[in-house]
Amino acid sequence: NAGVMQNPRHLVRRRGQEARLRCSPMKGHSHVYWYRQLPEEGLKFMVYLQKENIIDESGMPKERFSAEFPKEGPSILRIQQVVRGDSAAYFCASSRPGTGGYVNTEAFFGQGTRLTVV
Amino acid sequence: DQQVKQNSPSLSVQEGRISILNCDYTNSMFDYFLWYKKYPAEGPTFLISISSIKDKNEDGRFTVFLNKSAKHLSLHIVPSQPGDSAVYFCAASARESGNTPLVFGKGTRLSVIA
Repeated sequence: NAGVMQNPRHLVRRRGQEARLRCSPMKGHSHVYWYRQLPEEGLKFMVYLQKENIIDESGMPKERFSAEFPKEGPSILRIQQVVRGDSAAYFCASSRPGTGGYVNTEAFFGQGTRLTVV
Repeated sequence: DQQVKQNSPSLSVQEGRISILNCDYTNSMFDYFLWYKKYPAEGPTFLISISSIKDKNEDGRFTVFLNKSAKHLSLHIVPSQPGDSAVYFCAASARESGNTPLVFGKGTRLSVIA
């Protein structure tokens, strides 16, 4: 799973600032998933993207959060006007095309970005 | 609304003994289950999975058992090793319903004592 690269590893933002989290999937992977882990909680699904398409964003908060996966470059999870409750670890996973959507033994996670809002 | 529950936040086991991690689910549509292992400051790593058409899947020291009628699954690690100390997440999905996102439990922290 070291092949999925997330940066930065740690991000500190003041309330009201914007946070941008990046995820470069493994080579050959065109499916990206974002999960959030709040303190003492499990991972919660946020959004599933393929290149240039959002497939499922049912886990995304309705406001301030957005995600993209452009044709070139990493996937970006963007949080506008951050609040303290956004402090969490954000994990990205990727998988190859044709591996059946979400349920993948071939889905590999990155090391995560730990966002702290002060 | 917790659809996947890991009721034991932590578990301590002596090296060489069996570790049993439990997971319960409420959604009867779930038909595919996975266990992930997570070390501090790292992402989750896939460990083992089981489809609802089976009741057991084994991979080396790791065995997952599924009891569909009880909506319960368990991960057995035997023999346990100190390197197994990590947080273990149970996850479930309703594959036949169209590939729903993985739903994770809150995790169980396993400590294997030498």
